Amino acid sequence: ELKVEQNPLFLSMQEGKNYTIYCNYSTTSDRLYWYRQDPGKSLESLFVLLSNGAVKQEGRLMASLDTKARLSTLHITAAVHDLSATYFCAVDRMEYGNKLVFGAGTILRVKS
Amino acid sequence: AAGVIQSPRHLIKEKRETATLKCYPIPRHDTVYWYQQGPGQDPQFLISFYEKMQSDKGSIPDRFSAQQFSDYHSELNMSSLELGDSALYFCASSSEQGTTDTQYFGPGTRLTVL
Repeated sequence: ELKVEQNPLFLSMQEGKNYTIYCNYSTTSDRLYWYRQDPGKSLESLFVLLSNGAVKQEGRLMASLDTKARLSTLHITAAVHDLSATYFCAVDRMEYGNKLVFGAGTILRVKS
Repeated sequence: AAGVIQSPRHLIKEKRETATLKCYPIPRHDTVYWYQQGPGQDPQFLISFYEKMQSDKGSIPDRFSAQQFSDYHSELNMSSLELGDSALYFCASSSEQGTTDTQYFGPGTRLTVL
């Protein structure tokens, strides 16, 4: 069974600081996703990571994947207020029908 | 670019009523997924369809049913609504199950059961 754990669940940080969100998953997965969700809104796809060592960057966000450790990180560089949102990681497996299994989410609040 | 369309965006129902949520996937996407997100929770998979056939089923109550039509749109039917059914319901679509294509989420339907 696929299980996903994220930490921290809540993160309050100052603008300009760096921090990392961690995502562990329980068994081999095909893909790892990071999504952003603003309150009451939809899920916005940030990154899809497919292979060990994959690293993707978009603006102040960088995601990486270590399939051997079953760990993905989402690194935030020089945070700005606009990054305040809830961030979910999710995994899927073809043999499980590609349904997404989500972590609990990390609520990020960037204080100016 | 065209996105996933869901309707209605907001729905208020009384207990024991029925509700129908609709999802129109991105053009040429053949796979539809339904997820339920309760307040402060992560999305939970309900059911999925590939080429108009049910492909997987998650923690979907027996009171709920769904189907995918010939034009690939999908409908989630919910009967005997309970207070606990109040949630955001997302539809997501992708092209060709089992590929590297990501799932794209619609804006969601907020269902409130009074």
